[in-house]
Amino acid sequence: NAGVTQTPKFQVLKTGQSMTLQCAQDMNHEYMSWYRQDPGMGLRLIHYSVGAGITDQGEVPNGYNVSRSTTEDFPLRLLSAAPSQTSVYFCASSYSRALTEAFFGQGTRLTVV
Amino acid sequence: EDQVTQSPEALRLQEGESSSLNCSYTVSGLRGLFWYRQDPGKGPEFLFTLYSAGEEKEKERLKATLTKKESFLHITAPKPEDSATYLCAVPTNTGNQFYFGTGTSLTVIP
Repeated sequence: NAGVTQTPKFQVLKTGQSMTLQCAQDMNHEYMSWYRQDPGMGLRLIHYSVGAGITDQGEVPNGYNVSRSTTEDFPLRLLSAAPSQTSVYFCASSYSRALTEAFFGQGTRLTVV
Repeated sequence: EDQVTQSPEALRLQEGESSSLNCSYTVSGLRGLFWYRQDPGKGPEFLFTLYSAGEEKEKERLKATLTKKESFLHITAPKPEDSATYLCAVPTNTGNQFYFGTGTSLTVIP
């Protein structure tokens, strides 16, 4: 099994550009989530989904958009990139919300210039 | 306010020198405490889940314990390959989100 797959691994954007970070899982998990990780801040939740067609905001949702049309995919869209969105982004999935272990992707290192 | 605090921020050990990492939490109604290991440039990898005070779990040189207010990750006779950042996390009361600590960066020197 591939687990959780994120693409791309690295990305450089100019301020104002938009892009989509892709995330796919093959474990048939209902719960998927997006985090950003910044030095000294730990992992902070951006958005999460408890199933196809259902999404909700996390701790830091501003500037990001998500949708969940299938169980497998949970893309994260940056609407208009800002330097403050420079970070490492992780997608994760779990069997039962945040009550069971999360499986993380390898991360996307995003730089906004 | 619910939160998770880890200490120390960084720890350097000689190979074979045992020590402990701490994770304290203030969330009410604990629904599990999770430990993860994160290697540079990679996503966190699950280690343990603890659910009740007094519970212990072991994996190789690692042992996690849980009290009503904190968890310890004990590392016995560490090796250089144990070098990583160790994260702890607890679910919110709704169970829909995790609170993550900022992690302890462990370096084991040969």
